Amino acid sequence: AQSVTQPDIHITVSEGASLELRCNYSYGATPYLFWYVQSPGQGLQLLLKYFSGDTLVQGIKGFEAEFKRSQSSFNLRKPSVHWSDAAEYFCAVGLRSNDYKLSFGAGTTVTVRA
Amino acid sequence: NAGVTQTPKFQVLKTGQSMTLQCAQDMNHNSMYWYRQDPGMGLRLIYYSASEGTTDKGEVPNGYNVSRLNKREFSLRLESAAPSQTSVYFCASSGERSGYTFGSGTRLTVV
Repeated sequence: AQSVTQPDIHITVSEGASLELRCNYSYGATPYLFWYVQSPGQGLQLLLKYFSGDTLVQGIKGFEAEFKRSQSSFNLRKPSVHWSDAAEYFCAVGLRSNDYKLSFGAGTTVTVRA
Repeated sequence: NAGVTQTPKFQVLKTGQSMTLQCAQDMNHNSMYWYRQDPGMGLRLIYYSASEGTTDKGEVPNGYNVSRLNKREFSLRLESAAPSQTSVYFCASSGERSGYTFGSGTRLTVV
Protein backbone atom coordinates (compact mmCIF):
# COMPACT_ATOMS: atom_id res chain seq x y z
CA ALA A 1 0.00 0.00 0.00
CA GLN A 2 1.15 3.55 -0.67
CA SER A 3 2.25 5.44 2.40
CA VAL A 4 4.19 8.42 3.67
CA THR A 5 6.10 8.09 6.92
CA GLN A 6 7.59 10.77 9.11
CA PRO A 7 9.41 8.76 11.78
CA ASP A 8 9.90 11.61 14.23
CA ILE A 9 6.78 12.90 15.97
CA HIS A 10 8.60 15.64 17.86
CA ILE A 11 12.06 17.18 17.58
CA THR A 12 13.62 19.76 19.87
CA VAL A 13 16.51 21.79 18.56
CA SER A 14 18.51 24.71 19.90
CA GLU A 15 18.37 28.02 18.09
CA GLY A 16 21.27 28.20 15.67
CA ALA A 17 21.66 24.45 15.43
CA SER A 18 20.97 22.42 12.31
CA LEU A 19 17.71 20.62 11.70
CA GLU A 20 16.87 17.52 9.68
CA LEU A 21 13.38 16.10 9.34
CA ARG A 22 12.93 12.67 7.84
CA CYS A 23 10.37 11.55 5.28
CA ASN A 24 10.06 8.13 3.69
CA TYR A 25 7.52 7.02 1.14
CA SER A 26 6.32 3.77 -0.30
CA TYR A 27 5.13 4.15 -3.88
CA GLY A 28 5.57 2.07 -6.98
CA ALA A 29 6.58 4.99 -9.17
CA THR A 30 8.69 8.06 -8.45
CA PRO A 31 6.26 10.49 -6.92
CA TYR A 32 6.13 14.23 -6.68
CA LEU A 33 7.35 15.31 -3.25
CA PHE A 34 6.52 18.29 -1.08
CA TRP A 35 7.24 19.75 2.31
CA TYR A 36 4.73 22.01 4.05
CA VAL A 37 4.93 23.97 7.28
CA GLN A 38 2.06 24.81 9.59
CA SER A 39 2.30 27.39 12.35
CA PRO A 40 -0.18 27.06 15.22
CA GLY A 41 -3.72 27.92 14.16
CA GLN A 42 -2.68 28.52 10.59
CA GLY A 43 -3.01 26.80 7.26
CA LEU A 44 -0.21 24.96 5.52
CA GLN A 45 2.43 26.79 3.57
CA LEU A 46 4.50 25.17 0.83
CA LEU A 47 8.22 25.12 1.67
CA LEU A 48 9.54 23.31 -1.39
CA LYS A 49 8.71 20.70 -3.99
CA TYR A 50 10.43 18.12 -6.15
CA PHE A 51 9.16 16.96 -9.52
CA SER A 52 12.27 15.93 -11.41
CA GLY A 53 15.84 16.94 -12.14
CA ASP A 54 18.31 18.05 -9.50
CA THR A 55 17.73 15.97 -6.40
CA LEU A 56 18.70 18.80 -4.04
CA VAL A 57 15.85 21.28 -3.88
CA GLN A 58 15.97 24.75 -2.37
CA GLY A 59 12.91 26.24 -0.75
CA ILE A 60 11.76 29.26 1.17
CA LYS A 61 12.94 30.30 4.64
CA GLY A 62 16.38 28.74 4.07
CA PHE A 63 15.14 25.15 3.85
CA GLU A 64 16.38 22.51 1.44
CA ALA A 65 15.49 18.88 0.81
CA GLU A 66 17.23 16.01 -0.90
CA PHE A 67 15.49 13.30 -2.86
CA LYS A 68 17.18 9.90 -2.56
CA ARG A 69 15.53 7.39 -4.84
CA SER A 70 17.48 4.41 -3.48
CA GLN A 71 16.26 5.17 0.03
CA SER A 72 12.76 6.36 -0.93
CA SER A 73 13.42 9.42 1.17
CA PHE A 74 12.96 13.17 0.93
CA ASN A 75 14.53 14.68 4.05
CA LEU A 76 14.22 18.34 4.92
CA ARG A 77 17.17 20.30 6.28
CA LYS A 78 18.04 23.73 7.56
CA PRO A 79 21.61 24.66 8.54
CA SER A 80 20.73 27.12 11.30
CA VAL A 81 17.33 27.17 12.97
CA HIS A 82 15.59 30.36 14.08
CA TRP A 83 12.99 30.56 16.83
CA SER A 84 10.37 31.32 14.17
CA ASP A 85 10.93 27.85 12.68
CA ALA A 86 8.99 26.29 15.56
CA ALA A 87 6.01 24.72 13.80
CA GLU A 88 4.66 21.46 12.49
CA TYR A 89 6.13 20.10 9.27
CA PHE A 90 4.40 17.79 6.85
CA CYS A 91 5.84 15.72 4.06
CA ALA A 92 3.45 15.04 1.18
CA VAL A 93 3.59 12.77 -1.83
CA GLY A 94 1.57 12.74 -5.03
CA LEU A 95 1.39 10.83 -8.28
CA ARG A 96 0.58 12.24 -11.67
CA SER A 97 -1.39 9.09 -12.37
CA ASN A 98 -3.50 9.83 -9.29
CA ASP A 99 -4.56 13.34 -10.36
CA TYR A 100 -1.78 14.80 -8.22
CA LYS A 101 -3.73 14.09 -5.05
CA LEU A 102 -1.40 14.42 -2.12
CA SER A 103 -0.98 11.97 0.73
CA PHE A 104 0.44 13.49 3.87
CA GLY A 105 2.65 12.15 6.60
CA ALA A 106 1.48 12.49 10.20
CA GLY A 107 3.74 15.47 10.74
CA THR A 108 6.77 16.39 12.86
CA THR A 109 6.50 19.08 15.50
CA VAL A 110 9.63 21.18 15.89
CA THR A 111 10.34 22.99 19.14
CA VAL A 112 13.16 25.56 19.19
CA ARG A 113 14.83 26.30 22.50
CA ALA A 114 16.79 29.45 23.16
CA ASN B 1 -4.78 38.83 -2.05
CA ALA B 2 -4.69 35.77 -4.28
CA GLY B 3 -5.38 32.52 -2.51
CA VAL B 4 -7.95 30.21 -1.01
CA THR B 5 -10.69 31.59 1.21
CA GLN B 6 -12.62 29.40 3.62
CA THR B 7 -15.66 30.26 5.69
CA PRO B 8 -16.47 30.05 8.51
CA LYS B 9 -13.29 29.94 10.60
CA PHE B 10 -15.00 28.44 13.63
CA GLN B 11 -18.25 26.54 14.09
CA VAL B 12 -19.94 24.62 16.87
CA LEU B 13 -22.72 22.22 15.90
CA LYS B 14 -25.01 19.98 17.83
CA THR B 15 -25.15 16.33 16.85
CA GLY B 16 -27.51 15.90 13.93
CA GLN B 17 -27.30 19.47 12.67
CA SER B 18 -26.19 20.20 9.14
CA MET B 19 -23.86 22.82 7.74
CA THR B 20 -21.90 23.76 4.64
CA LEU B 21 -18.29 24.83 4.58
CA GLN B 22 -17.50 27.25 1.80
CA CYS B 23 -14.28 27.49 -0.18
CA ALA B 24 -13.27 29.77 -3.02
CA GLN B 25 -10.01 30.23 -4.91
CA ASP B 26 -8.97 32.99 -7.25
CA MET B 27 -5.91 31.38 -8.85
CA ASN B 28 -7.74 29.80 -11.77
CA HIS B 29 -6.79 26.34 -10.52
CA ASN B 30 -8.56 23.33 -11.96
CA SER B 31 -8.29 21.07 -8.92
CA MET B 32 -9.75 21.59 -5.47
CA TYR B 33 -9.68 19.46 -2.33
CA TRP B 34 -11.15 19.07 1.11
CA TYR B 35 -9.00 17.60 3.87
CA ARG B 36 -9.55 17.06 7.54
CA GLN B 37 -6.75 17.31 10.09
CA ASP B 38 -6.77 15.35 13.31
CA PRO B 39 -3.96 15.14 15.88
CA GLY B 40 -1.36 12.54 15.02
CA MET B 41 -3.01 11.65 11.73
CA GLY B 42 -1.82 14.35 9.39
CA LEU B 43 -4.27 15.42 6.72
CA ARG B 44 -6.75 12.99 5.22
CA LEU B 45 -8.51 13.61 1.93
CA ILE B 46 -12.29 13.76 2.14
CA TYR B 47 -13.27 14.67 -1.43
CA TYR B 48 -11.63 16.28 -4.37
CA SER B 49 -12.55 17.82 -7.68
CA ALA B 50 -10.03 17.40 -10.49
CA SER B 51 -11.89 19.87 -12.68
CA GLU B 52 -15.09 21.84 -12.83
CA GLY B 53 -18.03 19.48 -13.01
CA THR B 54 -16.31 16.47 -11.46
CA THR B 55 -16.01 15.27 -7.89
CA ASP B 56 -14.54 12.10 -6.41
CA LYS B 57 -14.24 10.46 -3.03
CA GLY B 58 -11.03 10.54 -1.10
CA GLU B 59 -9.87 8.51 1.84
CA VAL B 60 -12.59 9.45 4.36
CA PRO B 61 -15.78 10.53 2.48
CA ASN B 62 -18.44 9.00 4.74
CA GLY B 63 -20.75 11.59 6.25
CA TYR B 64 -19.83 14.30 3.75
CA ASN B 65 -20.99 15.60 0.41
CA VAL B 66 -19.43 18.15 -1.90
CA SER B 67 -20.43 20.50 -4.69
CA ARG B 68 -18.13 22.04 -7.27
CA LEU B 69 -20.30 25.07 -7.95
CA ASN B 70 -18.01 26.54 -10.60
CA LYS B 71 -14.28 26.71 -11.20
CA ARG B 72 -13.75 28.97 -8.18
CA GLU B 73 -15.96 27.36 -5.54
CA PHE B 74 -15.99 23.97 -3.85
CA SER B 75 -18.24 23.43 -0.84
CA LEU B 76 -18.33 20.65 1.75
CA ARG B 77 -21.59 19.67 3.42
CA LEU B 78 -22.21 17.74 6.59
CA GLU B 79 -25.79 16.50 6.42
CA SER B 80 -26.03 15.17 9.99
CA ALA B 81 -23.05 16.11 12.07
CA ALA B 82 -21.51 13.57 14.45
CA PRO B 83 -18.93 14.08 17.21
CA SER B 84 -16.46 12.06 15.11
CA GLN B 85 -16.52 14.91 12.62
CA THR B 86 -14.97 17.29 15.13
CA SER B 87 -11.83 18.33 13.30
CA VAL B 88 -10.05 21.10 11.46
CA TYR B 89 -11.06 21.23 7.82
CA PHE B 90 -8.84 22.58 5.08
CA CYS B 91 -9.69 23.44 1.54
CA ALA B 92 -6.92 23.53 -1.03
CA SER B 93 -6.51 24.13 -4.73
CA SER B 94 -3.79 23.28 -7.21
CA GLY B 95 -2.73 23.71 -10.77
CA GLU B 96 -0.79 20.99 -12.53
CA ARG B 97 2.57 20.47 -10.81
CA SER B 98 2.12 23.58 -8.66
CA GLY B 99 1.54 21.99 -5.30
CA TYR B 100 -1.40 22.90 -3.12
CA THR B 101 -2.42 26.29 -1.84
CA PHE B 102 -4.34 25.91 1.40
CA GLY B 103 -7.02 27.97 3.03
CA SER B 104 -6.65 28.98 6.67
CA GLY B 105 -8.97 26.24 7.91
CA THR B 106 -12.31 25.78 9.66
CA ARG B 107 -12.27 24.53 13.23
CA LEU B 108 -15.46 22.50 13.71
CA THR B 109 -16.69 21.14 17.02
CA VAL B 110 -19.68 18.80 17.16
CA VAL B 111 -21.21 18.40 20.62
